[in-house]
Amino acid sequence: DSGVTQTPKHLITATGQRVTLRCSPRSGDLSVYWYQQSLDQGLQFLIQYYNGEERAKGNILERFSAQQFPDLHSELNLSSLELGDSALYFCASSVDRSSGTYNEQFFGPGTRLTVL
Amino acid sequence: DAKTTQPPSMDCAEGRAANLPCNHSTISGNEYVYWYRQIHSQGPQYIIHGLKNNETNEMASLIITEDRKSSTLILPHATLRDTAVYYCIVRPYSGNTPLVFGKGTRLSVIA
Repeated sequence: DSGVTQTPKHLITATGQRVTLRCSPRSGDLSVYWYQQSLDQGLQFLIQYYNGEERAKGNILERFSAQQFPDLHSELNLSSLELGDSALYFCASSVDRSSGTYNEQFFGPGTRLTVL
Repeated sequence: DAKTTQPPSMDCAEGRAANLPCNHSTISGNEYVYWYRQIHSQGPQYIIHGLKNNETNEMASLIITEDRKSSTLILPHATLRDTAVYYCIVRPYSGNTPLVFGKGTRLSVIA
């Protein structure tokens, strides 16, 4: 158990719909990362938040957005869903110590999204 | 794009050492080598990381060549539960950066 929790575990929805994925980081971790894993693209970074602020953006579509709340949990919002958005979505957290030498990321169990 | 090259798959007999190679010939002086693994469709799991010295923890050993252009992850006594995809990732010293995953090596531990 990494200490990172994600809900829901599974989500089945239809094209054109909107869903929200939730992530609670490990206690004390300030950074939250979102990754998408699809069969054809592998694991891809989407977006990072640090202490409530967006820090880095990856291959995140404009239809997707995220935020990190004051209690440090994060939500990933996916809208106008397409069949190709079906994937595993992982959240990871890290401490981000100022020394920078020990910032491994801990991953949650993921949310499996199926768009029909 | 990932800055590492790994063999797509490897087999290892249970109880034997699994040696997973990784080439990172363009690694910069301020970049670490990190290893993660993903068992089936679970979230990736951190294994070990290093800069230039060999490292060992309770899970594995990491051997980095002197020129730092390649490394080997060693699982000393592989078990069936070590069957997974192993990812070698180079990452800046600052560490507060996203992970860039390549295709990794699918390790199959065989009884």
